[in-house]
Amino acid sequence: DAKTTQPPSMDCAEGRAANLPCNHSTISGNEYVYWYRQIHSQGPQYIIHGLKNNETNEMASLIITEDRKSSTLILPHATLRDTAVYYCIVRVGRYGGGGNEKLTFGTGTRLTIIP
Amino acid sequence: DGGITQSPKYLFRKEGQNVTLSCEQNLNHDAMYWYRQDPGQGLRLIYYSQIVNDFQKGDIAEGYSVSREKKESFPLTVTSAQKNPTAFYLCASSHSFGGHSYTGELFFGEGSRLTVL
Repeated sequence: DAKTTQPPSMDCAEGRAANLPCNHSTISGNEYVYWYRQIHSQGPQYIIHGLKNNETNEMASLIITEDRKSSTLILPHATLRDTAVYYCIVRVGRYGGGGNEKLTFGTGTRLTIIP
Repeated sequence: DGGITQSPKYLFRKEGQNVTLSCEQNLNHDAMYWYRQDPGQGLRLIYYSQIVNDFQKGDIAEGYSVSREKKESFPLTVTSAQKNPTAFYLCASSHSFGGHSYTGELFFGEGSRLTVL
């Protein structure tokens, strides 16, 4: 799987949009971008994923650049409960083929929502 | 409810003792993973398994062992050879890619916190 690069920390004011960037310049054509978040001392929680089109669900929006080398997770109206570490990973999608998958995470971005 | 369960949630161990962390899932997932997390750090991969009776070393496998005798279970043993075992351990599972049910989503347990006294 391709490696990702994220800023170590970010702050965002409560009620504003939080925009978390991720670089994945070596992403392959069959790899999707996934976002997870981890609230302190809990297991990471899935947020959203996408291949090349922008995606939106009840939690967030995902914007992937046209060349797919970077993406941005958007939390449209951040609340204090969104304070967490956010991880961006890439992994092979549905039709990616066989073989063992060494799925690695980076250190993520620690997002702090400021009241 | 379907999910992934880790036990125990908290565990204390004396130096030199082996300890086994349990991970069970009823999601019918083929793939299972063990990660280690140290304070303020990201997740580091210890072992992973794509299918029963097969597993692979991750980035930090030294001092750990696993087994995958059943699809539902992927226990992790922290051996006395692990020099600094105090950490938060996370287990995860997903469908294996290429299958009909594959979405790529990882499901995590709530973690086991191991402290060596």
